[in-house]
Amino acid sequence: SQQGEEDPQALSIQEGENATMNCSYKTSINNLQWYRQNSGRGLVHLILIRSNEREKHSGRLRVTLDTSKKSSSLLITASRAADTASYFCATAPRLGYNQGGKLIFGQGTELSVKP
Amino acid sequence: EAQVTQNPRYLITVTGKKLTVTCSQNMNHEYMSWYRQDPGLGLRQIYYSMNVEVTDKGDVPEGYKVSRKEKRNFPLILESPSPNQTSLYFCASTRGEGNTEAFFGQGTRLTVV
Repeated sequence: SQQGEEDPQALSIQEGENATMNCSYKTSINNLQWYRQNSGRGLVHLILIRSNEREKHSGRLRVTLDTSKKSSSLLITASRAADTASYFCATAPRLGYNQGGKLIFGQGTELSVKP
Repeated sequence: EAQVTQNPRYLITVTGKKLTVTCSQNMNHEYMSWYRQDPGLGLRQIYYSMNVEVTDKGDVPEGYKVSRKEKRNFPLILESPSPNQTSLYFCASTRGEGNTEAFFGQGTRLTVV
C-alpha cells in the first residue's frame, strides 16, 4: 500500500494541553502537508513543509519532518475545543512523471479537545 | 472567494443508475483530482487531470469516468454504480505540480443501494 500511517488513531486531551500527531510514509517526497477535516466535511490545508525543510511553524502549529526516517509530526499547542477534528498528513510523492499534484493520505488522527 | 464546489452534497441511488457528481473551481487551477474517503483507508485518488482534455487514472479508477472539457469543471461519472462505490467523494484542485496546497470541495456522500 502507498498509504502512510498516522499515530495515534485517536487522541483525547483537555483544553490548553498540547496535541502531538505523528505520520510515517513510504515514498520519496517533494513535500508533506497537513490537513484538517471537521466531521464529514471538506479538508482544509493547514501547513506544507518541503522535503529540504526540517521544521515549520504557523500560529499554534509546529510541524517537523525527518526524511531519513520518513516521518513527520504535527504539534498543536494550547489546544482549544474548536481544534476538535480529524487531522491528515498527505505526501506529494517524488515521481519520475507528472501525476497531477497527487497526494497520498494517511488514515488520519481523530483529535478530541474537551473544554 | 477561492473555492471548489461539488454537487450534490448527498445522493442516494440504486445499483446501475448512471450518475454524475459535478465539481467546479474558480481559481484557474490546472490540476484537479477526485478522491474517495473510506473508513480506515484514508483518501485515495480516483482520477486526475492536468489540463483541459488531459485526464488519467489514479489509484482506484475502476467503475469511474471523468471528463475535462473546460478548465474549471471536472465531473465524476459513475456509469453503473454498485454498492462498493458507497463512499464520501472529494474533488480537489491545485495550482500546479510541486509545492502547492490542494483546495478541496465540501464532499459528496454517495450511497448506492
